[in-house]
Amino acid sequence: AQSVTQPDIHITVSEGASLELRCNYSYGATPYLFWYVQSPGQGLQLLLKYFSGDTLVQGIKGFEAEFKRSQSSFNLRKPSVHWSDAAEYFCAVGDSLNFNKFYFGSGTKLNVKP
Amino acid sequence: NAGVTQTPKFQVLKTGQSMTLQCAQDMNHEYMSWYRQDPGMGLRLIHYSVGAGITDQGEVPNGYNVSRSTTEDFPLRLLSAAPSQTSVYFCASSSPGQGMPLHFGNGTRLTVT
Repeated sequence: AQSVTQPDIHITVSEGASLELRCNYSYGATPYLFWYVQSPGQGLQLLLKYFSGDTLVQGIKGFEAEFKRSQSSFNLRKPSVHWSDAAEYFCAVGDSLNFNKFYFGSGTKLNVKP
Repeated sequence: NAGVTQTPKFQVLKTGQSMTLQCAQDMNHEYMSWYRQDPGMGLRLIHYSVGAGITDQGEVPNGYNVSRSTTEDFPLRLLSAAPSQTSVYFCASSSPGQGMPLHFGNGTRLTVT
């Protein structure tokens, strides 16, 4: 069965420090992978996605993610965190057989220290 | 640029009451879906639709009904609300095709007492 694991529930980093949020997935076929960000009281906004091709993908707000098939991972990174990055981040897998189905991780809440 | 619009933003119901959560999108997306978000559980798919007149169940469909009479609208009905349905509900839409992302509304926070 498909599943997405985000092992870190909460992460706190200092402003200006680097960030890596982990995501592992279980999926039988080639996955479509996404990272979304949710600010308080808001819906989810797409940060980036991996569909095929280059395994290092760039997104909005300076984020990037790397797809590693051998590790079933799709970790999100940012070299220098800004206070405005404080939010909850969700990793998701899109079902390649049913394009309308997505499987979400439980989320990682990012706190940024000044 | 309305995107996906959900109403209401907040709702309090008593056990056994019914209500409809509204969702409308103006992007001409064929796919629409409803998710619920609970702490520590991410988003779970309730129902989805691949076009007008076509709906199907997701991961947690019990207690919810949907219909899709137009491309734009995809309401979610709670026929007899239960405290276990206290959650934040998100409607999302997407274009058909491989790897197309979801576009989310801002959510409806529902409390059932």
